[in-house]
Amino acid sequence: KQEVTQIPAALSVPEGENLVLNCSFTDSAIYNLQWFRQDPGKGLTSLLLIQSSQREQTSGRLNASLDKSSGRSTLYIAASQPGDSATYLCAVFFGNEKLTFGTGTRLTIIP
Amino acid sequence: DTGVSQDPRHKITKRGQNVTFRCDPISEHNRLYWYRQTLGQGPEFLTYFQNEAQLEKSRLLSDRFSAERPKGSFSTLEIQRTEQGDSAMYLCASSYEREQYFGPGTRLTVT
Repeated sequence: KQEVTQIPAALSVPEGENLVLNCSFTDSAIYNLQWFRQDPGKGLTSLLLIQSSQREQTSGRLNASLDKSSGRSTLYIAASQPGDSATYLCAVFFGNEKLTFGTGTRLTIIP
Repeated sequence: DTGVSQDPRHKITKRGQNVTFRCDPISEHNRLYWYRQTLGQGPEFLTYFQNEAQLEKSRLLSDRFSAERPKGSFSTLEIQRTEQGDSAMYLCASSYEREQYFGPGTRLTVT
């Protein structure tokens, strides 16, 4: 069964710190992986998309990496800000025309 | 590019009533997806259209659920004889290649 896991479920860090969010997935035969941000009661905002042939993608203070062989991806957030507080979702496209999501990590940045 | 839009944003209905949600994708996107998200969980795939053809349906989509995408443009998701277990956020996404862009969602509450 194709599954996506995100641990921890919640994370609190002081403002200004760098942090890493983790995502693991079964089945290394992925097409791509997307990281999303979701604010409470809102829809999903796409942050980064990594193709299966790529090792990492960067956008501003965000850097996502992909290691297919170990079934892992990380989202690195540099110099965290209170506005980064949200739930971060990892989703994998296994090639069957749908995204399979993890349950998310709820991030709180403490001012 | 106005993004994916969904209507209504919130819907409260009594058990047993029928409800219909609408999704307008990004105009040049040929793929359209419906997902359902319950509290504390990641979104779960419901169904997928390529142009006007419905190509995949999840086992989560019981006989009470029906989705259409006439003319390959907007899509509707109807739930007949709603049950309290249908209470969730219903998310629509669209894509041209593989990166999916999500709308703000419709929150359904069945009382």
